[in-house]
Formats: sequence, structure tokens, C-alpha cells
Amino acid sequence: AQSVTQLDSHVSVSEGTPVLLRCNYSSSYSPSLFWYVQHPNKGLQLLLKYTSAATLVKGINGFEAEFKKSETSFHLTKPSAHMSDAAEYFCVVSDHNDKIIFGKGTRLHILP
Amino acid sequence: EAGVVQSPRYKIIEKKQPVAFWCNPISGHNTLYWYRQNLGQGPELLIRYENEEAVDDSQLPKDRFSAERLKGVDSTLKIQPAELGDSAVYLCASSHGLASKYNEQFFGPGTRLTVL
Repeated sequence: AQSVTQLDSHVSVSEGTPVLLRCNYSSSYSPSLFWYVQHPNKGLQLLLKYTSAATLVKGINGFEAEFKKSETSFHLTKPSAHMSDAAEYFCVVSDHNDKIIFGKGTRLHILP
Repeated sequence: EAGVVQSPRYKIIEKKQPVAFWCNPISGHNTLYWYRQNLGQGPELLIRYENEEAVDDSQLPKDRFSAERLKGVDSTLKIQPAELGDSAVYLCASSHGLASKYNEQFFGPGTRLTVL
């Protein structure tokens, strides 16, 4: 059975410093992996997705994620945090049987 | 292009009452999803449609929840009777193809249900 674990429920960083949101997955097959962002009172929006074409994936707003099969990880990073990045971030896995599993989310706080 | 439309945005009902949520997906999207998101949690899939067929309803509590997508376009999710534990945000999403094939889901704004 597939699963996804977001290792931190809350992350706080200062504006201008790097962001790291951690995600580990479990899947019997090569999965599809996504990161979605949810701003307060707004709908979920896709940040980026892993499509097996490249292990380093670039997304919107300067975010990127690296697929590491040996570590079963798909961590989300950004070199420099901006105040507008404050939101809830969800790691999502879907494998060959089309089951979709969301992580519990990581709330990112940006300190001025 | 219009996004996924959901109504109502908010609903407050007393327990044991029925409630229904409506979703109109993005035009041309054959896959439609209903999720439930409890406070502080990630969305949990309730049901997935491919056109008018419910291909995954394994997480739908069938004793009180029902859904339909009669013409393969818009969809309705119903709860009857509602329980206190059903208070949550109900999200609808659509995609042009399966998430397992790397297809992006587009989400509506959700319906926030409060059961008193």
C-alpha cells in the first residue's frame, strides 16, 4: 500500500532564508508525486510534479523538488523565502492503481 | 476559462438533516474527485469519477453518503443524515486524465460544512 509522510507539521523560516519541506513516500511502483499549496481561504494549487523525466523538478514561484528513489523522498525547497510563501503545503502520491494519497500538510510560517 | 465551481460555499445544518453539495468541473475534464478535508489535515479522497462512472468509491461511507454524476459533467455529493463528525470542508477537483499519469488536479474553493 502506498503512503506519504510529511515530516514536519510546522516550519518557520525568516524571510530571505532557504525553505525545506520534507516528504517521504512509500509505493510499490514508480509513483507520480506532486506538491500542492493552499493559501488561506483559497483553493489548492499545483506547485510542481514529478513525471519521471527528470529527478529535479522546477515549479512555480521559485520552488523545486528532487526525487530520490533510494531515500523514497521528494523534498520541496526554495532558495529564498518570501512573505507570500506563508501557506499550507501538501505532498501527494499516486501510483499505478490510481489511488491518491495526500500528506497531512506542512504549515510554512515566514518570519519578518 | 472558468475554474472548478462549487456551491454552496458555506452550509450550517443541524445533525440528522440532509445536505447536498454541487460541483461543476472545468470543461472537458473527464475525471472528477470529491475530497473531505478535516481541520488541520490533508484532503481525503471520497470518490473518483471517470466520466459518469464511479471508479473508486472505496472511501465513501455508503451508509450516509451518496454521489452522482449523471451526464458525466457536474456532480452532486449528498449526506443523509448528517452527523457532527461530518463537519469539514468538502472539495471538488477535476483533471484531464489520471493523477497516476502525472495529470494536475484543479480544485474548487470547497464547501465548508458545519453540523450543529
